Amino acid sequence: QKEVEQDPGPLSVPEGAIVSLNCTYSNSAFQYFMWYRQYSRKGPELLMYTYSSGNKEDGRFTAQVDKSSKYISLFIRDSQPSDSATYLCAMTPRGGYQKVTFGTGTKLQVIP
Amino acid sequence: DTGVSQDPRHKITKRGQNVTFRCDPISEHNRLYWYRQTLGQGPEFLTYFQNEAQLEKSRLLSDRFSAERPKGSFSTLEIQRTEQGDSAMYLCASRDLTSRTDTQYFGPGTRLTVL
Repeated sequence: QKEVEQDPGPLSVPEGAIVSLNCTYSNSAFQYFMWYRQYSRKGPELLMYTYSSGNKEDGRFTAQVDKSSKYISLFIRDSQPSDSATYLCAMTPRGGYQKVTFGTGTKLQVIP
Repeated sequence: DTGVSQDPRHKITKRGQNVTFRCDPISEHNRLYWYRQTLGQGPEFLTYFQNEAQLEKSRLLSDRFSAERPKGSFSTLEIQRTEQGDSAMYLCASRDLTSRTDTQYFGPGTRLTVL
């Protein structure tokens, strides 16, 4: 079993829809959670990060962490065609060398 | 210098050849990481450096792989006797230990194709 599970999709939504992307994890040592966006043939670009359980909002993006359920989510409001990309959840323990463990990524397509 | 840079962006080689990739991290970032990403998968950790010291290597890093960061700035990743299974995107990331966040910033990657 992988430490981080993420539905690979693909997920197709119409423009303007609310998108929900999710990951589950098994390692309770994970304390720091990130979402990266990766366009085709590009490196991952950091979208959001959070240390704690609860919600964190940045513009159209909201990251949610539930440590008790080992479940994290990324919500995208008013989705745009430019949001079409692969979204990777990532996590790491605090301290130490902090190797980042990634999910497999969810491919999102926003249709105009 | 606004981000992590990697060179080359693309490399096509024949099986059995050696290849070397370079990564230039964000200035003053003391930690540098290498990851490998295959199609449809998330990046997988290979190794990391704190300044010039290589502190951790994944079991994914076979004896044919070697990484260096001789002066604590740029890093190189060499693959000897390449195999078709080495075809992947090789990503470099860097992080500032003095930062309050644990975020790693990624470069654009080097896409390797072994024929």
